[in-house]
Formats: sequence, C-alpha cells, structure tokens
Amino acid sequence: EAGVAQSPRYKIIEKRQSVAFWCNPISGHATLYWYQQILGQGPKLLIQFQNNGVVDDSQLPKDRFSAERLKGVDSTLKIQPAKLEDSAVYLCASSLGVRKGHNEQFFGPGTRLTVL
Amino acid sequence: EDKVVQSPLSLVVHEGDTVTLNCSYEVTNFRSLLWYKQEKKAPTFLFMLTSSGIEKKSGRLSSILDKKELFSILNITATQTGDSAVYLCAVPYSGGGADGLTFGKGTHLIIQP
Repeated sequence: EAGVAQSPRYKIIEKRQSVAFWCNPISGHATLYWYQQILGQGPKLLIQFQNNGVVDDSQLPKDRFSAERLKGVDSTLKIQPAKLEDSAVYLCASSLGVRKGHNEQFFGPGTRLTVL
Repeated sequence: EDKVVQSPLSLVVHEGDTVTLNCSYEVTNFRSLLWYKQEKKAPTFLFMLTSSGIEKKSGRLSSILDKKELFSILNITATQTGDSAVYLCAVPYSGGGADGLTFGKGTHLIIQP
C-alpha cells in the first residue's frame, strides 16, 4: 500500500516569496492534516480536512497561510509571503477518519522549508 | 488548551539497556494517547492507548496508560542502535469533530554501541 506522498522534499526561498506544498494521502483516507514542525519541537497542527471540508484551522496563520483540498483527495498548502520563522518541516498526514480521536494518523516524509 | 509534556527531553544509554520514556497530558475530553517514533522525517506509529492499565506490546517496546494520573510510559528493553530516534507522544484534540494531534516536544533517545 502506498504511503502519504509529499513534494517537494526540500525548498529554499527568500523571505517575502511564496511557496506551495503538495500532499497526496493514502487512498481511501477521508481525513487529511497539515502539521508544522519547527526544529526541536513536536509537530503542530495547522489544518484538518474531512473530505474537502475544513474541520479545524484554528492554528493556521490565515494572513499568510492557505490550504485547500478541492476534490477531497490531494491537498496544497501555500505560504504567501514567507517569513523567516516559517522555516520548518511541513508534514502531511492522513487517516481513515472513521472514529474521531481513535484514528491512527499516517505521516508523509515532509517538506523541509528554509526561508533566507 | 490540550497539553502534552514529555520527559526526559534527551537520553543517552548503551546498547542493551532498558529505557523508560514519560508522557503526561492534560485534555478536556480524553479519547486516546498515541506514541510515534521519528527517525528522520516522518513520524511512524507505535501505539494507541485508550484504556487505563492495559499494556500494549510490540517486540521490545511496550506502553501503558494511567488515566487517573494522566500519564503514559513507553518502555524499550534490550535497546539497539536502531532504536535511536525521537519518540513523540500525542493526544487528539478533544473538541467536536476535530482530532488533530497535540504533540509533546519528544524525547531524543541515543543508543550508543
């Protein structure tokens, strides 16, 4: 079974530039999550989708971050404009979403973003 | 706000030793607690615990949950260099239909040959 796919794996940009990350979840997984992991910290949830609807985006900095999951499968996360403090690994995860709070989340390899 | 605290933050032991990693949590509505292992990029799932006092076991790894005292431990026996990783503890968000995970900072475990 294929895992969660993410691209690109690495991205280096200058501050104030824009960047986009792509995620393809495990086939059949209704729930998709984006996390931000700053060096030395645990992952922090940015946004959760159930199919193509947003369930939770309370920790997403909406002035610069946006995310979509138009057809309920792939998702993109965008940062515009980027700041130095956005340097982190961006992890995408998916789960079956059958029983809330009792779902194993499967993580992709992440995208390491460096903002100069 | 949900909170997860792990200790120690880092640990260096020799191959063959047994280690115990700690995780305490505060949540409004507890549903489960999860342990992940993170070696390079992607956290990989180890255990999900929902019931107090029932040990989950996989090979040399085991974990148990104490819902009264609000903590969990992860034990690794006969450690090997391949166990070197960051071990993350997490709880799902406790409100409504959302279940994104709140993670602790992790325990960075280093196994020396």
